[in-house]
Amino acid sequence: SYVLTQPPSVSVAPGQTARTTCGGNNIGSKSVHWYQQKPGQAPVLVVFDDSDRPSGIPERISGSKSGNTATLTISRVEAGDEADYYCQVWDSSTDHVVFGGGTKLTVL
Amino acid sequence: EVQLVESGGSVVRPGGSLRLSCAASGFTFDDYGMSWVRQAPGKGLEWVSRINWNGDDTSYADSVKGRFSISRDNAKTSLYLQMNSLRAEDTALYYCARDRLRYSTWYYLYMEVWGKGTTVTVSS
Repeated sequence: SYVLTQPPSVSVAPGQTARTTCGGNNIGSKSVHWYQQKPGQAPVLVVFDDSDRPSGIPERISGSKSGNTATLTISRVEAGDEADYYCQVWDSSTDHVVFGGGTKLTVL
Repeated sequence: EVQLVESGGSVVRPGGSLRLSCAASGFTFDDYGMSWVRQAPGKGLEWVSRINWNGDDTSYADSVKGRFSISRDNAKTSLYLQMNSLRAEDTALYYCARDRLRYSTWYYLYMEVWGKGTTVTVSS
């Protein structure tokens, strides 16, 4: 089955830029989506199709992809950005949805 | 307002059964596929199952295939998950989510709306 790999944690000071990655075999031929989950809350979609943002998501949050790695970037990090971030793809050959293991963003 | 409200979670013994429900409102329910996603305590998100707009097409994670069954009633704008032969490892918060299937260079799918979840605990 398809596997997405994320680092377990990333730390950044307020005002700095946080980047977290998502790797998978041949991920370049899949669309990657990102969710933010704050403690005790349901996940929220923050990026879809590699780099598009749903309405209401600030421009500080952006997605990109290069080769076999997708990246979620949060600029000018705020305390309120502290959350778990999950990447996700859809394996159309099996009709299975796959999530990465998640990255915990800590704002120092 | 688009809303998904899950219900039916409870404590159940190993080997038991449970049926979860998800009531949808604020959108045209039969325009969308739907998914169930779960999260074990302190763990990450795990996709469980999805169903297309009319119920003709379903898929399941390997971990639940043969034990869980997804269904929907478009007249009642509701999604269901029948869970049988429950195991301790099925203990989790179960989320209902609205799928979005789109096409650009290829088809892709993501969850654009989520409920708050309902808790299932499998324990003797």
